[in-house]
Amino acid sequence: EAGVVQSPRYKIIEKKQPVAFWCNPISGHNTLYWYRQNLGQGPELLIRYENEEAVDDSQLPKDRFSAERLKGVDSTLKIQPAELGDSAVYLCASTTSGSPLDEQYFGPGTRLTVT
Amino acid sequence: AQTVTQSQPEMSVQEAETVTLSCTYDTSESNYYLFWYKQPPSRQMILVIRQEAYKQQNATENRFSVNFQKAAKSFSLKISDSQLGDTAMYFCAFFPYGQNFVFGPGTRLSVLP
Repeated sequence: EAGVVQSPRYKIIEKKQPVAFWCNPISGHNTLYWYRQNLGQGPELLIRYENEEAVDDSQLPKDRFSAERLKGVDSTLKIQPAELGDSAVYLCASTTSGSPLDEQYFGPGTRLTVT
Repeated sequence: AQTVTQSQPEMSVQEAETVTLSCTYDTSESNYYLFWYKQPPSRQMILVIRQEAYKQQNATENRFSVNFQKAAKSFSLKISDSQLGDTAMYFCAFFPYGQNFVFGPGTRLSVLP
């Protein structure tokens, strides 16, 4: 079975440009997470979805970040406009449900470099 | 705010030896879970081991075991018989029930041949 798929794997853009990341979770996983991982740090939650509903977006910088999970399957995270400080790895993860008893599976991440 | 601290940014261990990675956390919650995740170089993060806070018995998974000290809010990971494939970043994570994961800054472990 395929794991969590993310694309692109790498993205280099100039500041003020828009960028979008895509995530396809494991089939049947209702809960989807987007994390940002700065260099040398642990992941920080940006947003959590239960099916198509964003149940926790308190850490999402809403002035420039947006996310959607239409139909409760794959998800897109967008930044517009990007800033230098947005350079990081953006990780997507999924679980069967939001319970910590369900193992969280991570994708390979998208490494964003903003120049 | 709930925080996770990993005081060892980097560690190294000789192959076949034992190493312990430290983790402390700060919370007022009584129901939570603790995790250790492994992130190998250029590979996906994977779960190593999980501990439920209400369980006194320390979790073990093959060569990996934890020392959970709830009163001290400490959750260390012991890797026995270290292998070259254990080289990775290790993240301690805390999950208060009904909330979300909080990850520590990580410890970079190098297993030396």
